[in-house]
Amino acid sequence: DQQVKQNSPSLSVQEGRISILNCDYTNSMFDYFLWYKKYPAEGPTFLISISSIKDKNEDGRFTVFLNKSAKHLSLHIVPSQPGDSAVYFCAASALGGANSKLTFGKGITLSVRP
Amino acid sequence: DAGVTQSPTHLIKTRGQQVTLRCSPKSGHDTVSWYQQALGQGPQFIFQYYEEEERQRGNFPDRFSGHQFPNYSSELNVNALLLGDSALYLCASSLYTGGTEAFFGQGTRLTVV
Repeated sequence: DQQVKQNSPSLSVQEGRISILNCDYTNSMFDYFLWYKKYPAEGPTFLISISSIKDKNEDGRFTVFLNKSAKHLSLHIVPSQPGDSAVYFCAASALGGANSKLTFGKGITLSVRP
Repeated sequence: DAGVTQSPTHLIKTRGQQVTLRCSPKSGHDTVSWYQQALGQGPQFIFQYYEEEERQRGNFPDRFSGHQFPNYSSELNVNALLLGDSALYLCASSLYTGGTEAFFGQGTRLTVV
């Protein structure tokens, strides 16, 4: 039973355009969400997070949107750059922060074409 | 400021053997969590240590055990290795109280033959 789902395994976008990566969850106890980027042979790198008391959080080119009623969140990257090409993981926790068990999706491979 | 460091980076073991993986958390962090990432999957939570005690545990057998030391570093031990234990093992550090970020190390690639 996968509680965090990233249904699109891959996404390809043109450099300079917007990348939108989607994530759905089923567990209503989840109240904190994180996005990570992972390059081959490296550990996941933290990108941005959002608490369930918010519906949007921005950090530079990265914005995360949360729709609690739909149990859906998305990561927007604007503008996309070739260096953004990586696997992106959505993760969720149920204790209001990053200090408890994180449940991950399977990841989305983003390719940004020059 | 050193981030999360893990050792070794790669390891090859034989079925039935035991392995110990090590993790030093980011400076200022007091909590260490371990994850297993199989090929093509997201990381799966193994367990979490805080104040030298296991605080949460995922759906992993007792062959997986751990330890946290007074300096917050941690070890993951796996006994009676199976071929299916081959994976990338990731360590994440965070603050137990009010932590809003969890930082990962580069991982240890374990291959069981």
